[in-house]
Amino acid sequence: DGGITQSPKYLFRKEGQNVTLSCEQNLNHDAMYWYRQDPGQGLRLIYYSQIVNDFQKGDIAEGYSVSREKKESFPLTVTSAQKNPTAFYLCASSAQAGVMETQYFGPGTRLLVL
Amino acid sequence: GQQLNQSPQSMFIQEGEDVSMNCTSSSIFNTWLWYKQDPGEGPVLLIALYKAGELTSNGRLTAQFGITRKDSFLNISASIPSDVGIYFCAGHQLGGPDTGNQFYFGTGTSLTVIP
Repeated sequence: DGGITQSPKYLFRKEGQNVTLSCEQNLNHDAMYWYRQDPGQGLRLIYYSQIVNDFQKGDIAEGYSVSREKKESFPLTVTSAQKNPTAFYLCASSAQAGVMETQYFGPGTRLLVL
Repeated sequence: GQQLNQSPQSMFIQEGEDVSMNCTSSSIFNTWLWYKQDPGEGPVLLIALYKAGELTSNGRLTAQFGITRKDSFLNISASIPSDVGIYFCAGHQLGGPDTGNQFYFGTGTSLTVIP
């Protein structure tokens, strides 16, 4: 089955701690994205990557970092600089197919601060 | 980033009723996408629209890509309890070589179906 996997489903962070959220896709998609979802708000883009070894900041990149060393993997690190990290984090991918573009999402990771 | 105007924000309907929701934008999009999200889960793609004026169905769901390319609607016919969830739209714009494809999202319509 092709798709996007995210782990863990729930993650707890202590004050001052960095945590890393995993995202893997086997859709052979070039582009991958990280979004943050807060209650009552739409999706906000954190980082995106169009190709391996390249990524760009989204609208709310401060306090986050990413890497794209492999096509299928796009991990997100929530650093201690992110003061309000409690949220639902969604990873997505798209094929970079040009005009007819579709984006698919993973199941999400909920991050909670202890 | 740009956020799409999605309405209504919430709906409470009786089982068997039809549902309609829409999204509007100030910008032109190449693609309109509709997703359903259950609590604690990731959004699942329902329908993708690629051409202005396109009308596409997926079972009891029907969606249309507005002729101006600035709007889209989603209809659900004969609602059932498992239709409960949050539905949201997304629009896609082609980006340049430095920015890549851009997706913009509505804030969602929360649907409650009363048996």
